[in-house]
Amino acid sequence: NAGVTQTPKFRVLKTGQSMTLLCAQDMNHEYMYWYRQDPGMGLRLIHYSVGEGTTAKGEVPDGYNVSRLKKQNFLLGLESAAPSQTSVYFCASRPPGGGGGYTFGSGTRLTVV
Amino acid sequence: GENVEQHPSTLSVQEGDSAVIKCTYSDSASNYFPWYKQELGKRPQLIIDIRSNVGEKKDQRIAVTLNKTAKHFSLHITETQPEDSAVYFCAASRASGNTPLVFGKGTRLSVIA
Repeated sequence: NAGVTQTPKFRVLKTGQSMTLLCAQDMNHEYMYWYRQDPGMGLRLIHYSVGEGTTAKGEVPDGYNVSRLKKQNFLLGLESAAPSQTSVYFCASRPPGGGGGYTFGSGTRLTVV
Repeated sequence: GENVEQHPSTLSVQEGDSAVIKCTYSDSASNYFPWYKQELGKRPQLIIDIRSNVGEKKDQRIAVTLNKTAKHFSLHITETQPEDSAVYFCAASRASGNTPLVFGKGTRLSVIA
């Protein structure tokens, strides 16, 4: 039981390049989330999903897209990376009912140069 | 939407002393309040949570109190130890449905031996 797994763990992109971050969970959780963490800013919600095939925007969705084709996977895409997207990205999941705590992945440190 | 304010942003205490971190929230419908601890380079981990039908919850050296009337909640750590040094985040959401957690900006706690 791995919990929430994020790949890759580190990545350096050039401005304008694209990439996809993968989040996979094996806990059969309905809800999945993508947050970004920047110094002094806490964790800010990018997009989230309440079930397979559904996605919704969070606080800072611009420049990102997501997909939840399978219940266990939640993908975060950057179509044209910008230096402002340099951050640590955390995926999280939680069980149905919504009232439980999140299980976080180990994070992806992305640098855009 | 929900807004969570967290204070202080940094806190230094002597080993063995107590530490208190305070958060306020804006959405009166929020009823789930978790606290996360994040060590350097690691993922946030849930350390304690409280729901609005409870005023206080304890787990060994940590406790959380909730004042729904004033819309604030606090984390109390007693007999602090060097391994308590970390960044602590509070969060709030509605426990029912699919409302994502909204996080405070974090408190960096340093326990000085």
